[in-house]
Amino acid sequence: AQSVTQLDSHVSVSEGTPVLLRCNYSSSYSPSLFWYVQHPNKGLQLLLKYTSAATLVKGINGFEAEFKKSETSFHLTKPSAHMSDAAEYFCVVTPLSAGGTSYGKLTFGQGTILTVHP
Amino acid sequence: DAGVTQSPTHLIKTRGQQVTLRCSPKSGHDTVSWYQQALGQGPQFIFQYYEEEERQRGNFPDRFSGHQFPNYSSELNVNALLLGDSALYLCASAGQAHTYEQYFGPGTRLTVT
Repeated sequence: AQSVTQLDSHVSVSEGTPVLLRCNYSSSYSPSLFWYVQHPNKGLQLLLKYTSAATLVKGINGFEAEFKKSETSFHLTKPSAHMSDAAEYFCVVTPLSAGGTSYGKLTFGQGTILTVHP
Repeated sequence: DAGVTQSPTHLIKTRGQQVTLRCSPKSGHDTVSWYQQALGQGPQFIFQYYEEEERQRGNFPDRFSGHQFPNYSSELNVNALLLGDSALYLCASAGQAHTYEQYFGPGTRLTVT
């Protein structure tokens, strides 16, 4: 079984300041982890993915995330927020090894709404 | 290269009716998954189709059924609609080599009145 907990339902930052969106996961198998972004009335866009290679993962638009197995965390960061970053962000887990049971079933967190103030 | 496409964009139905939603996967993808996203929630996995068979299913009742066609496109059918079925329905496709890396369509917004 797998689950995701996004520790903040809302995060508010000023433009130009750092962004931190927190995510803890639980997985019976070695996990593959993702962050997706959803802008209003738009579909989900993949920001970045971790699939057991480098633990520090760089994504699009300056975002990055670090996989910490000991803390079961996969927090999303960005050094400097931009107004266009305002959106809802989802942390997602799926077992990396199919093991005959996963086949890419994604389990989503509840989402974190990021607000960016001018 | 077109991404994942879904139709219709919006749909309004009455309780008890039936609805069919459609999805065309990204070019080169053969696996299609469906997710339900209720307002203010994260998407929840409904089921996944591969080689025209339902390969895995989430915790959804039998009122939710699907189909995959030889060209890999897919349909989601919901019978006996309930008010609680109102949601954004998302389709995602993936290639067999990396089924965990899924690309999402824009979704179909279903409203049940």
